[in-house]
Amino acid sequence: SQQGEEDPQALSIQEGENATMNCSYKTSINNLQWYRQNSGRGLVHLILIRSNEREKHSGRLRVTLDTSKKSSSLLITASRAADTASYFCATDVTGGGNKLTFGTGTQLKVEL
Amino acid sequence: NAGVMQNPRHLVRRRGQEARLRCSPMKGHSHVYWYRQLPEEGLKFMVYLQKENIIDESGMPKERFSAEFPKEGPSILRIQQVVRGDSAAYFCASSPMSGRAKNIQYFGAGTRLSVL
Repeated sequence: SQQGEEDPQALSIQEGENATMNCSYKTSINNLQWYRQNSGRGLVHLILIRSNEREKHSGRLRVTLDTSKKSSSLLITASRAADTASYFCATDVTGGGNKLTFGTGTQLKVEL
Repeated sequence: NAGVMQNPRHLVRRRGQEARLRCSPMKGHSHVYWYRQLPEEGLKFMVYLQKENIIDESGMPKERFSAEFPKEGPSILRIQQVVRGDSAAYFCASSPMSGRAKNIQYFGAGTRLSVL
């Protein structure tokens, strides 16, 4: 399996519910980032968490990082229909320069 | 402050033709990255450039693909003699050299290449 795999691959919830997506990676990282991609569009940066951080919040987003398990989770609270998109985790691997290694993504659908 | 600009948005080429994809980074950004995305997949790193220098091209196919970021003008990703397997969305991202946002990459809307 590749560096950065999201779980689940697809998630369908009702508006107002919380959505949780998980990401696992294989190697040591400098930081982990989450991006959102609307269908047919570019990626939008959501949040960055450094390797020495365990939790970070930004608005309705909460990200956790467990470097011992090499995993991260993204929680979107009180979801809205506009949150419908694909969500990708991306790792900045230690010694890898500035390039990002992306996972395969979670497709989130928020229904009214 | 305009974001990362990519053009064209859509590009159709026949097998054997050349494709040129352009990317203008955000103002003040000196680092440019190119990624390729196949349908239903995540982005795959191709190349990382700074002005007039290729820093990391470990994700670039050895043949037919080249990239540049000249002193003046946009970064160019060039694909010679395109094949159907080159059909994908190609994304450019840029980041600043320093500051709090130096680890964050800002993406353009992408160029969707279709090879007939």
